[in-house]
Amino acid sequence: NAGVMQNPRHLVRRRGQEARLRCSPMKGHSHVYWYRQLPEEGLKFMVYLQKENIIDESGMPKERFSAEFPKEGPSILRIQQVVRGDSAAYFCASSPPGTGDIQYFGAGTRLSVL
Amino acid sequence: SQKIEQNSEALNIQEGKTATLTCNYTNYSPAYLQWYRQDPGRGPVFLLLIRENEKEKRKERLKVTFDTTLKQSLFHITASQPADSATYLCALDRSSSNTGKLIFGQGTTLQVKP
Repeated sequence: NAGVMQNPRHLVRRRGQEARLRCSPMKGHSHVYWYRQLPEEGLKFMVYLQKENIIDESGMPKERFSAEFPKEGPSILRIQQVVRGDSAAYFCASSPPGTGDIQYFGAGTRLSVL
Repeated sequence: SQKIEQNSEALNIQEGKTATLTCNYTNYSPAYLQWYRQDPGRGPVFLLLIRENEKEKRKERLKVTFDTTLKQSLFHITASQPADSATYLCALDRSSSNTGKLIFGQGTTLQVKP
């Protein structure tokens, strides 16, 4: 049973470009969570999604950031017009149907904005 | 809002000793509290979950306690090994309705010296 798969592992973008981060949850998991980890800081919740639904996006910046989890395919975290402050590690986690007690994390995507 | 405090200073111990890490939280008591391990460049890996009605939980060399009166959890690694060197994260549900969306402490880095 493959774990949570994130790609790309490393992503370099210039200021103003778009970044797309992908996350395939573990098989059988219907809940996806995105977290951001800035250098020397802890993991910060961004958004919680179920298939075709955004359940909680209270941790998402109001502008430029969006997330989706379509019926088919991976979850996507999209950052438009990236700025240097967006440079961070972005982690995706998934959990099975239910309360999502235990979350299984991917290896992360490290975004560098030049 | 709920906050988690972990000792930000690195913990250095000698191989074979017991490592004890502390996690304190403010505000409401969560239904459960979790501990994760994170290695450099990797995503967090779940270790243990302890529920509010449990005082102690064990798994091999790991032991977690949960004191809802003190609003504190202690994480112990007995007979520590250099391979235990990593950052350990404490996490709990970020809402009083226990919906599985986690908030994390900043983590405590453990260094076990041979």
